[in-house]
Amino acid sequence: AQRVTQPEKLLSVFKGAPVELKCNYSYSGSPELFWYVQYSRQRLQLLLRHISRESIKGFTADLNKGETSFHLKKPFAQEEDSAMYYCALSGEGEYGNKLVFGAGTILRVKS
Amino acid sequence: GAVVSQHPSWVICKSGTSVKIECRSLDFQATTMFWYRQFPKQSLMLMATSNEGSKATYEQGVEKDKFLINHASLTLSTLTVTSAHPEDSSFYICSASSPYTGELFFGEGSRLTVL
Repeated sequence: AQRVTQPEKLLSVFKGAPVELKCNYSYSGSPELFWYVQYSRQRLQLLLRHISRESIKGFTADLNKGETSFHLKKPFAQEEDSAMYYCALSGEGEYGNKLVFGAGTILRVKS
Repeated sequence: GAVVSQHPSWVICKSGTSVKIECRSLDFQATTMFWYRQFPKQSLMLMATSNEGSKATYEQGVEKDKFLINHASLTLSTLTVTSAHPEDSSFYICSASSPYTGELFFGEGSRLTVL
């Protein structure tokens, strides 16, 4: 069965501090992993996906198959990064379909 | 980016009535749309996959007679909560997959409150 675990409900950091949002997954095949972000009063939107290996808004995430993790990192947090972050997994073979979401982590960046 | 719109954004209804929520892809055709449900302070739970021109595929534990899904055109999918009860109160979110990139775009969500 597909499962995504985000152990932290809330992560509070000071502006300029490094950020790491944890995500672990369970899937027997080769998963596609994503990070979605939801800013206050906005809809859910894609932040990044592991297959693209890109950095968006300073965030990066590396898929570690050995540890079954896909942690989201940013070296220097900014106040505008405050949002709800969801890690998601697709095991259907097609990018972007049938996503299973983690519980989400609220990131709060304090000035 | 592509836009997916839901209507209504919020609705309050009496127990026993039915409520329809629309999900539209505004600038692309979506053969597949997805419906999610989100309880307060919880994650999104996939309810069903809506396929244009065919029956929806429901996830395990989701009552298909309770949550009717119709995907009559390439830009519109509807979710009807039939004979709603207070336990159906929730935030319902739809998403559609871009045929060009495969990326999923989400609607703004519809909050249903059943009294």
